[in-house]
Amino acid sequence: AQKITQTQPGMFVQEKEAVTLDCTYDTSDPSYGLFWYKQPSSGEMIFLIYQGSYDQQNATEGRYSLNFQKARKSANLVISASQLGDSAMYFCAMREGVNSGGSNYKLTFGKGTLLTVNP
Amino acid sequence: KAGVTQTPRYLIKTRGQQVTLSCSPISGHRSVSWYQQTPGQGLQFLFEYFSETQRNKGNFPGRFSGRQFSNSRSEMNVSTLELGDSALYLCASSSFRGPNEKLFFGSGTQLSVL
Repeated sequence: AQKITQTQPGMFVQEKEAVTLDCTYDTSDPSYGLFWYKQPSSGEMIFLIYQGSYDQQNATEGRYSLNFQKARKSANLVISASQLGDSAMYFCAMREGVNSGGSNYKLTFGKGTLLTVNP
Repeated sequence: KAGVTQTPRYLIKTRGQQVTLSCSPISGHRSVSWYQQTPGQGLQFLFEYFSETQRNKGNFPGRFSGRQFSNSRSEMNVSTLELGDSALYLCASSSFRGPNEKLFFGSGTQLSVL
């Protein structure tokens, strides 16, 4: 079974509108972390936002927020006021065993969502 | 502060050859990990090093190997290249201070095997 599922291969949004990118995950570990990364055409992976499994509040970083629904195992990324520069691939990723003493720093990535922002 | 630096940016090799990729982490970061990205398989974890020790290894054949030096710089080697090894190879570093410590990625090395 896939650990990270991103069901939207591609999304389109108009400039200045908000967009939600979906991510569901599968783990039996009670201690995990969820990340979102952006990959522009240059190839570099850019960190956007992090949510820990024990965090009580949804994470926010500027125009990015994470809609964390633990019971549904979903961690959707919300981008508000989209900009042309937001056009890129977006990856959801998970790290398990977060509190295992630091022996596991492997991220499992989803297949990604290609976001296109139209002017 | 300089970011993660990967060299070379592009590589073209032929089947059967070997290749070495280099990664310089952010200053002070002791954890370096490598990922392979292909259109078909997406992003897959290769291995992670911390203080010159390999702590985790992904599900890749033994042709894929790596090492980390005392200055935290890391190299990845692929021997007996196959066409399927064509991919973007991404290196990431982390200071590893806490569970939510993020990985900082380089721009990658695009390897083409002909």
